[in-house]
Amino acid sequence: DAGVIQSPRHEVTEMGQEVTLRCKPISGHNSLFWYRQTMMRGLELLIYFNNNVPIDDSGMPEDRFSAKMPNASFSTLKIQPSEPRDSAVYFCASTVGGLEQYFGPGTRLTVT
Amino acid sequence: KQEVTQIPAALSVPEGENLVLNCSFTDSAIYNLQWFRQDPGKGLTSLLLIQSSQREQTSGRLNASLDKSSGRSTLYIAASQPGDSATYLCAVRGSQGNLIFGKGTKLSVKP
Repeated sequence: DAGVIQSPRHEVTEMGQEVTLRCKPISGHNSLFWYRQTMMRGLELLIYFNNNVPIDDSGMPEDRFSAKMPNASFSTLKIQPSEPRDSAVYFCASTVGGLEQYFGPGTRLTVT
Repeated sequence: KQEVTQIPAALSVPEGENLVLNCSFTDSAIYNLQWFRQDPGKGLTSLLLIQSSQREQTSGRLNASLDKSSGRSTLYIAASQPGDSATYLCAVRGSQGNLIFGKGTKLSVKP
């Protein structure tokens, strides 16, 4: 298995632009998580899907952030409009049965 | 609200030493606890998962213990090697299934 796949690996954009991050979970996993990692706050959960349904989005910082999971093999995290304080590494993770979570390589986002 | 703390924030040891990394959590009602390794600029690699009913898990030179009642876990690394240098993250699984992370311990093993 290829593991959790994220794209792009790096994204540099200007303030105000729309950013879309993509994730393909491990086949057969039914839960998907989006996390954000910064030096100041560490790793924080943004949103969590179970069987493609959003369960907990309390970590989504503002209405500028939105996430979708149209099917079991694909999810997107969108930021519109982006701001410099959104600069971070965004990780996607998946699991099945609430066991080990497997993380993707992350997307390093820089908003200038 | 669950909070996870890792001490120390950074640790430097000579090669060959046995070492212990500490993790504490405020709410003992956890489902499981997971230890990860993160190399600079990389993603997270799962090392060990301990279910709430278990006391410890072992994988090679790594041993993780869990004491739910005291809200503590330790990661023991035997005979440390320079390749063990990385940041080690502890995470507890909350009621919703999401992981709550500590800030990590940055380990440096000197040859």
